[in-house]
Parts: sequence; structure tokens; C-alpha cells
Amino acid sequence: EPEVTQTPSHQVTQMGQEVILRCVPISNHLYFYWYRQILGQKVEFLVSFYNNEISEKSEIFDDQFSVERPDGSNFTLKIRSTKLEDSAMYFCASRDAAGTQYFGPGTRLLVL
Amino acid sequence: AQRVTQPEKLLSVFKGAPVELKCNYSYSGSPELFWYVQYSRQRLQLLLRHISRESIKGFTADLNKGETSFHLKKPFAQEEDSAMYYCALRRLTGGGNKLTFGTGTQLKVEL
Repeated sequence: EPEVTQTPSHQVTQMGQEVILRCVPISNHLYFYWYRQILGQKVEFLVSFYNNEISEKSEIFDDQFSVERPDGSNFTLKIRSTKLEDSAMYFCASRDAAGTQYFGPGTRLLVL
Repeated sequence: AQRVTQPEKLLSVFKGAPVELKCNYSYSGSPELFWYVQYSRQRLQLLLRHISRESIKGFTADLNKGETSFHLKKPFAQEEDSAMYYCALRRLTGGGNKLTFGTGTQLKVEL
């Protein structure tokens, strides 16, 4: 059964550095999402992406965040200048035609 | 704005006992409700969606619009049901596809 994949599984970075989190959505899905979960807190929506543009974003998704679909398979989340509070688990998801979102295994980001 | 509330952080039951994981929501429009499950060291997986009205792994959930609830139930808990359960909402009206999650309930099934 096809699955959403994410790389890397863990990323440690210094405050102020740029990070790129990568996702490969399920191949015939058209809607893509990023969510994050700070330790001990709820899963929060960051951004949704459809037809090569952002369709919705949350207040969390400020100017330091960007998303891109650089080719036909990858979907990336870039954080330009990481802050300590960006430390979280980041989940990618893609949605099928019936509206079900399928989640990747997550990337654990630690900002030091 | 929509909100999902799961009042219990941890629910501990004995094997064979009934389980009810509570979920309440607030949203003025028409919602679609989901239950996602996360087993230890695994990804979030869809367990149920209210539109499908199906039973998965013995779990059922009924949307009660009057009480704005979508509680997850299973008559007899199994050890393998131990996991983190998240209730989530998606707007059916007003556009948008994002999921709004509750804080989750850790279910522990003891022998």
C-alpha cells in the first residue's frame, strides 16, 4: 500500500540556521499538508498546498516558512532561520479524492 | 473558528472492558469528524470518519450534532488497542481542508 514518506527522520540544527524538511506524498494525491506537534501539545495545521500554490495557511506559518513542490514527487517545508520554539515533530500529509488525509511518519526537528 | 476537545489525557481500562474515548467539538457550520490512531512508534493512521459510518477494529463513533460530540466506543478492549487516539474536525462548509485536532487521549489496556 502506498505511503507518505518523509526525510530526514531526525534533524538537529543550530538556532538561526535554515532547514528543509522533505516529503514524498502518495503519487495520485493532489492536496498536500504540513502539520507540526510540539512535544506534549496537539497536532497543529501549518499549511495546505494545491495546484502548485498555498491554499490555506495558519498564523504559525509566517514569513520564515515556505513550501515548494520542486518536482513531480517532492513536497518541501523550509524554515529560513530556525528558532528554539520551532523544535517539534513535523508531519506531512496528502489527501485522496475521498477527503482522507494520509500522514507521513514525521521529522523530529530539534533546534539548539 | 473550530475547536476539538478531548477531556481525557489518559484512559486506562482492563482487557475486555468497554471503552469510550470522548470528543467534543465546536463549529458553527457542518463538520466532518475523524478519529486517528497512533500506535507506538508508528504514524498517524485514520481509524474512522463519521461520513463512512463503518466499524473498524471493533470501534464505532456516532456524530451527535445536538451534543456536538463524536465519542469513540468499543465494547471489549483488546491489548493491541493501546495507543494514542486523536479526534479531528474538517469543515464541510466554508471551504478549507485542514484538520483541527484535539489534544489526544492515551488509551492503555491492561491485562
